[in-house]
Amino acid sequence: GENVEQHPSTLSVQEGDSAVIKCTYSDSASNYFPWYKQELGKGPQLIIDIRSNVGEKKDQRIAVTLNKTAKHFSLHITETQPEDSAVYFCAASIRGGGADGLTFGKGTHLIIQP
Amino acid sequence: EADIYQTPRYLVIGTGKKITLECSQTMGHDKMYWYQQDPGMELHLIHYSYGVNSTEKGDLSSESTVSRIRTEHFPLTLESARPSHTSQYLCASSETGDGQPQHFGDGTRLSIL
Repeated sequence: GENVEQHPSTLSVQEGDSAVIKCTYSDSASNYFPWYKQELGKGPQLIIDIRSNVGEKKDQRIAVTLNKTAKHFSLHITETQPEDSAVYFCAASIRGGGADGLTFGKGTHLIIQP
Repeated sequence: EADIYQTPRYLVIGTGKKITLECSQTMGHDKMYWYQQDPGMELHLIHYSYGVNSTEKGDLSSESTVSRIRTEHFPLTLESARPSHTSQYLCASSETGDGQPQHFGDGTRLSIL
């Protein structure tokens, strides 16, 4: 089955700086890669996603890049703000959906220092 | 705006009680999921469903059971709660097919005394 590794487990950056979270996946059949943000006391919320036919996608201050050859994808947050502090999860979906849909990474605690 | 609702949000209850955690979605999604998560930690899939009358066990073994009698409703039941069941339980739903995002509820924080 698919295996998703996520790094780092904790990331602390100064407000206004950029943050990068990286994930690798094992199954070359994976074709969909969403990113979720989970704030304290809430469920994970989808913030951006990318499909395997695209190399990069941007939405205001966040962007995701995908390298299919190396089987890794990254989340980039620019001009970080205090409200960006949260736990971020990457995920991968195997073509055909797989029995359970998405395989998640273990999460990154992003801390924005004022 | 949440289209998937979980109740209760918090539950503190004694050992041995029967518990049902409710999950409802208004998006008409066929696939639904239950995850167990210690706050801020890894998500562990415990149950999922392809649609009405379909229930499957996930990657993490769980003593809980689920049912799917209606598309919009996917309750999780613990017949006899134990302290080891203390955790956060998250429900999610998605459309069927390739590359579908999952939409999560805000979870139930369960504490068994």
